[in-house]
Amino acid sequence: RKEVEQDPGPFNVPEGATVAFNCTYSNSASQSFFWYRQDCRKEPKLLMSVYSSGNEDGRFTAQLNRASQYISLLIRDSKLSDSATYLCVVNGDTGRRALTFGSGTRLQVQP
Amino acid sequence: DVKVTQSSRYLVKRTGEKVFLECVQDMDHENMFWYRQDPGLGLRLIYFSYDVKMKEKGDIPEGYSVSREKKERFSLILESASTNQTSMYLCASRTGTASYEQYFGPGTRLTVT
Repeated sequence: RKEVEQDPGPFNVPEGATVAFNCTYSNSASQSFFWYRQDCRKEPKLLMSVYSSGNEDGRFTAQLNRASQYISLLIRDSKLSDSATYLCVVNGDTGRRALTFGSGTRLQVQP
Repeated sequence: DVKVTQSSRYLVKRTGEKVFLECVQDMDHENMFWYRQDPGLGLRLIYFSYDVKMKEKGDIPEGYSVSREKKERFSLILESASTNQTSMYLCASRTGTASYEQYFGPGTRLTVT
C-alpha cells in the first residue's frame, strides 16, 4: 500500500464550480500535512499547510481527519488558473526529515 | 525570495556514462533533497542531506550517490547511467523541521539513451 494515496483524476469541472479532493495516508504517526500545486512542466509549490482544526485561504479550504487518516482540499468558485496537479504531502514520522508526496490529482477547469 | 537552481533543464546521456546533477540554494537551508518524478509514480525520494557531508538514503537510492561538500550545494551522481533512470529530477531545500515549506528547483529532464 502506498504511504499517500490520491485519485489521479482528471477532474474536469466548469469555471465557478466547487471541487474537492481527498487523500489518504497510511502512517498514523504523521505530523505535518500539506497541499502542493504543480503546474504542467513546472516544479511543485506549496499551496497550503493543513492544520488539525482545518484552515482556509481564500477559495481554498483544507481539512485533516486524523481518525480516518485523510486530508481534503476544497476549491470554491474554480478559475481557469486553478488547472494544475494537486499533490498531497505528509511527513512520515517525527524521525524522518523528508516528506512523502502523493502522485497527485489533476484538475482541469473548463470555460 | 528563496531560489533553488539546477545546473541543467535538459540533459541527454548515453548508457554507462557518469552523470552529475548539481543543485544550489541561496537561503542557507540545512536540508536538501533529490527526487525523481515519473508519470503515475509521483515524486520519489532518492537521497537527502541535513547537513554538510551528511546524507541519508531515501526510498530509491539504488544506482545513485550524492555529495554535499558545501551547505548550499547538493549533487546527485549517477555512477553508470541506465535507461531506467530516464526521468525528471527535482532538487529541493528546506530549513528546520518537516513542518516548514520545501522549495523546489525547476527540475532536470534527463534522458538516457
